[in-house]
Amino acid sequence: AQSVTQPDIHITVSEGASLELRCNYSYGATPYLFWYVQSPGQGLQLLLKYFSGDTLVQGIKGFEAEFKRSQSSFNLRKPSVHWSDAAEYFCAVGEVNAGNMLTFGGGTRLMVKP
Amino acid sequence: GAVVSQHPSWVICKSGTSVKIECRSLDFQATTMFWYRQFPKQSLMLMATSNEGSKATYEQGVEKDKFLINHASLTLSTLTVTSAHPEDSSFYICSAVAGGLGTDTQYFGPGTRLTVL
Repeated sequence: AQSVTQPDIHITVSEGASLELRCNYSYGATPYLFWYVQSPGQGLQLLLKYFSGDTLVQGIKGFEAEFKRSQSSFNLRKPSVHWSDAAEYFCAVGEVNAGNMLTFGGGTRLMVKP
Repeated sequence: GAVVSQHPSWVICKSGTSVKIECRSLDFQATTMFWYRQFPKQSLMLMATSNEGSKATYEQGVEKDKFLINHASLTLSTLTVTSAHPEDSSFYICSAVAGGLGTDTQYFGPGTRLTVL
C-alpha cells in the first residue's frame, strides 16, 4: 500500500524568504503526486500535480515541485514566501488502479513571519 | 472550471438527529466522488468512494449504516450522518473526479463543519 510522509509538522519562515516543504512517498509503481493547500476552515486547493514527463512541475501562486524518483520525494518550493501563503499544505499520492484514490500525508502547517 | 460546492458549510445539530451534506460538481460531471473527514489539526481520512449509480465503497472502520452515501446523479452526492453523536463532530470534505481512471484530478469542495451537541 502506498504511504506519504511529510516530516515537518510545522514550519515558520520570514516573509520574502525561500520555502521548501518535504514530501516522501512509498508506492510500488510510478506515482501520481499532488500538492494541495488548505486555508483554515476551507477545503483543499490544488497547487500542482505530477503525472509524467518533466520532473520539475510548475503550479499556481508561484509554487513548484520536483519529482525525484531516486529519493522517492516530491518537495514543494517557492522562492519568496508571501504572508498569504500561511496555510496547511498536504502532499498526496494517487492510486491509478483504484479510481484515483488519494493517500494524504499528515500535512505541514506553514507560518509566515512579517 | 472544476468547481465543487458543499452545502451546508456549517451545521450544528442535537445528538440523535440525522444530518445530510450535499456535494455538487458545478461545471463538470463527476463519475466518482470521495468523502473525507478531517479532525482538527489532522490530515484527511478517506471515508468512502462513491460512483454514480452504484453503491459506495467504504474504507475499513467506517460504518456504512451510519454514514449513508448516495450518488444519484453525475453532479450530486450526499452524505447522511445518521443518529449523530458528539464524536461525529468533524470537518467533512468531498471531492469529485471527472472521467475515469488515469490522470484525472480530484477537485475538493470547501468542506462542511458538523458540530453535534
